[in-house]
Amino acid sequence: GDSVTQMEGPVTLSEEAFLTINCTYTATGYPSLFWYVQYPGEGLQLLLKATKADDKGSNKGFEATYRKETTSFHLEKGSVQVSDSAVYFCALSDQGYSTLTFGKGTMLLVSP
Amino acid sequence: DSGVTQTPKHLITATGQRVTLRCSPRSGDLSVYWYQQSLDQGLQFLIQYYNGEERAKGNILERFSAQQFPDLHSELNLSSLELGDSALYFCASSGMGESGNTIYFGEGSWLTVV
Repeated sequence: GDSVTQMEGPVTLSEEAFLTINCTYTATGYPSLFWYVQYPGEGLQLLLKATKADDKGSNKGFEATYRKETTSFHLEKGSVQVSDSAVYFCALSDQGYSTLTFGKGTMLLVSP
Repeated sequence: DSGVTQTPKHLITATGQRVTLRCSPRSGDLSVYWYQQSLDQGLQFLIQYYNGEERAKGNILERFSAQQFPDLHSELNLSSLELGDSALYFCASSGMGESGNTIYFGEGSWLTVV
């Protein structure tokens, strides 16, 4: 079945550092890929998405590129802020279905 | 604001009781999903409805049931509650069509079973 594997956290960074959160997936067909973010005490928010190979999703300075050859969708940001502290979830939606399969989440802690 | 509304936001109840969680999807969305988020299991898909009919079933216990009404709102019923049912329950919705549609989540209903 479909699965998503994320790097374990917490990831601890200083403000303005470069961020990478790794995400790889296993799926039949050609899934759509997503990053969701959960800020402390809040619900899930869509951060960015990509629906086909080589697409780059971007939002709020975050980027991720759909790499079919490596089945990856790594999240990056050039300069993190304290306000980026949250849990980040990688997810996929397989073609023909619309339910999401989530990774376990990666907590990001950014210190001033 | 995703446009998905869930009530109640917080709920505390005793073991053995029954609760109902309510969800209003984004305007025009026909699909509604329920997810459970717990510390040990992470985010688990429970069930999906599309325009009133069950479309997909995930890791939903037999003690749990859901339905989607003609006005497209949905309810998740949890019965014979156990301590382990304490979790954050998310409702989500998406638009017409199948693959590639974005799923938007509500803020969740926090359930504590004591």
